[in-house]
Amino acid sequence: NAGVTQTPKFRVLKTGQSMTLLCAQDMNHEYMYWYRQDPGMGLRLIHYSVGEGTTAKGEVPDGYNVSRLKKQNFLLGLESAAPSQTSVYFCASSYSGTATYEQYFGPGTRLTVT
Amino acid sequence: QQQVKQSPQSLIVQKGGISIINCAYENTAFDYFPWYQQFPGKGPALLIAIRPDVSEKKEGRFTISFNKSAKQFSLHIMDSQPGDSATYFCAASRAGGYNKLIFGAGTRLAVHP
Repeated sequence: NAGVTQTPKFRVLKTGQSMTLLCAQDMNHEYMYWYRQDPGMGLRLIHYSVGEGTTAKGEVPDGYNVSRLKKQNFLLGLESAAPSQTSVYFCASSYSGTATYEQYFGPGTRLTVT
Repeated sequence: QQQVKQSPQSLIVQKGGISIINCAYENTAFDYFPWYQQFPGKGPALLIAIRPDVSEKKEGRFTISFNKSAKQFSLHIMDSQPGDSATYFCAASRAGGYNKLIFGAGTRLAVHP
């Protein structure tokens, strides 16, 4: 099992450009999450999904959109990138929404917006 | 505002020493408190977790101490090893909250040989 994979690993964008980050999991997990990690701020939840075809906002959703057309994939989109979106983005998945179920994280995507 | 406050930001410990990282929370609805370990260039991975009905949980060299009345919990790493050098995040979530995690800011631990 590959677990949680993320594509791409690195990306540099110019302000105003758009891109999509892809997250895939092969554990048949129902729940998926997108976080951003910034120095001194830990990880903050952007959006999450409780199942195929569903999405919901997290702590910091502005400037991002998501889609979950297939259970195994969770896409994070930036329509018009801004320098404030320079960050490391992590996708995670969980078997259930019950708190005691472990979240499994991908290796991250480092995004720089110039 | 940060719902989970973590300290210190960085920590240097000698090999064999005890590493202690502290976290505090405000929301009494939180009922699950995991710690995640992150190595450079990797995603976080669950290290150990506790529920508020117990005051301590130990797994090998790692122990969580939990003080419900003070709304504080801490991670103790006994006999710290250079391989423990990583960033540690405390987190919290609540029942019925879709397993959404609220993370602390992280502590960068360096264990010197």
